[in-house]
Amino acid sequence: SQQGEEDPQALSIQEGENATMNCSYKTSINNLQWYRQNSGRGLVHLILIRSNEREKHSGRLRVTLDTSKKSSSLLITASRAADTASYFCATDFAYNNNDMRFGAGTRLTVKP
Amino acid sequence: GAGVSQSPRYKVAKRGQDVALRCDPISGHVSLFWYQQALGQGPEFLTYFQNEAQLDKSGLPSDRFFAERPEGSVSTLKIQRTQQEDSAVYLCASSLPPAPEAFFGQGTRLTVV
Repeated sequence: SQQGEEDPQALSIQEGENATMNCSYKTSINNLQWYRQNSGRGLVHLILIRSNEREKHSGRLRVTLDTSKKSSSLLITASRAADTASYFCATDFAYNNNDMRFGAGTRLTVKP
Repeated sequence: GAGVSQSPRYKVAKRGQDVALRCDPISGHVSLFWYQQALGQGPEFLTYFQNEAQLDKSGLPSDRFFAERPEGSVSTLKIQRTQQEDSAVYLCASSLPPAPEAFFGQGTRLTVV
């Protein structure tokens, strides 16, 4: 069964705008990761945030984690058409940080 | 190899046929995962190996699904007596603990007709 749930399911924005996606999960975790998937391709790791971290940045990506609410958000700033893809959060379980489960994803469309 | 390699990329099977999907993980990666991804959905966990040991197979949907990794490197996911609902993309990923980041292959798209 899936551990995380992303919202919204789909998001459509104009190039240059910011995109925010959210992820909620159910059980205690060690790490939360965000992955990106272009149509018909495998998943690519974007960023990881550990359970003792609250915010992390990588280029145009900003991730926050609120363990009290069991939620995370991914912000993509100054979006580009090439950011069009599906974005998934993946969580492990606190008892086994090598057992990784995904949500259903957010489908992001960035219009040029 | 440079990345995770899966073969075949595409497989069409007749209903009732057995199939075998192969995953070559990144050399030296201890952990290996199999996921099933239906169209428009997220990857659903199937099974997890640490070296040759299958530590979690709770996601395998039925006893028609079987995975092995006999020498702790290449893994094979076998589906017996395929059914239409088995049609999906099967993704393999590997990682090197303690780093949790997983590297994915391109997947095998299985279509059962």
